[in-house]
Amino acid sequence: DGGITQSPKYLFRKEGQNVTLSCEQNLNHDAMYWYRQDPGQGLRLIYYSQIVNDFQKGDIAEGYSVSREKKESFPLTVTSAQKNPTAFYLCASSIASGTGGEAFFGQGTRLTVV
Amino acid sequence: QQQVKQSPQSLIVQKGGISIINCAYENTAFDYFPWYQQFPGKGPALLIAIRPDVSEKKEGRFTISFNKSAKQFSLHIMDSQPGDSATYFCAARSGATNKLIFGTGTLLAVQP
Repeated sequence: DGGITQSPKYLFRKEGQNVTLSCEQNLNHDAMYWYRQDPGQGLRLIYYSQIVNDFQKGDIAEGYSVSREKKESFPLTVTSAQKNPTAFYLCASSIASGTGGEAFFGQGTRLTVV
Repeated sequence: QQQVKQSPQSLIVQKGGISIINCAYENTAFDYFPWYQQFPGKGPALLIAIRPDVSEKKEGRFTISFNKSAKQFSLHIMDSQPGDSATYFCAARSGATNKLIFGTGTLLAVQP
């Protein structure tokens, strides 16, 4: 099955801990994205990557970090510097612009601070 | 300049009616305008998309109208059904950077 897999589905973090959310795609897409979703605020872009070993900050990158060592993988680390990390996190991927553009989403990871 | 503004925040429509959701943008570098549908607890799924060289695109009951000069685009859902009840997001992508920006979403409820 082709698609995007996010894991885990639910994640609980203690205060002061770093946690890493996994995102894997087998669609051979170049571009990958991380979004945060809070009620009433839509999807806000955290980081995005156009190619391997390159990524750019989105609108709310503070307190987050990413890596793109492989085309298939784009993990997101929520660091202790992120003061309000409880949210629904969505990963997406797409082919390069100019040749289509549809972004496919994973099923999300719900992160809760306990 | 990177924002996409979406309205209304919520919408209630009777079964069989027309649902209309509007979006506006500022950045003329955007070259791709998709609409996504999201059900609770799920990731968004592409509904329909348009490029700025086209003024209208129709797929089944869903139509995008695009006004390049006004920098506005809208989604029309004809013959709305209770199964259409979901959150709808408009989005815009810059071809130069691949940056994909979303609107704040519209919660649609179609009453039977």
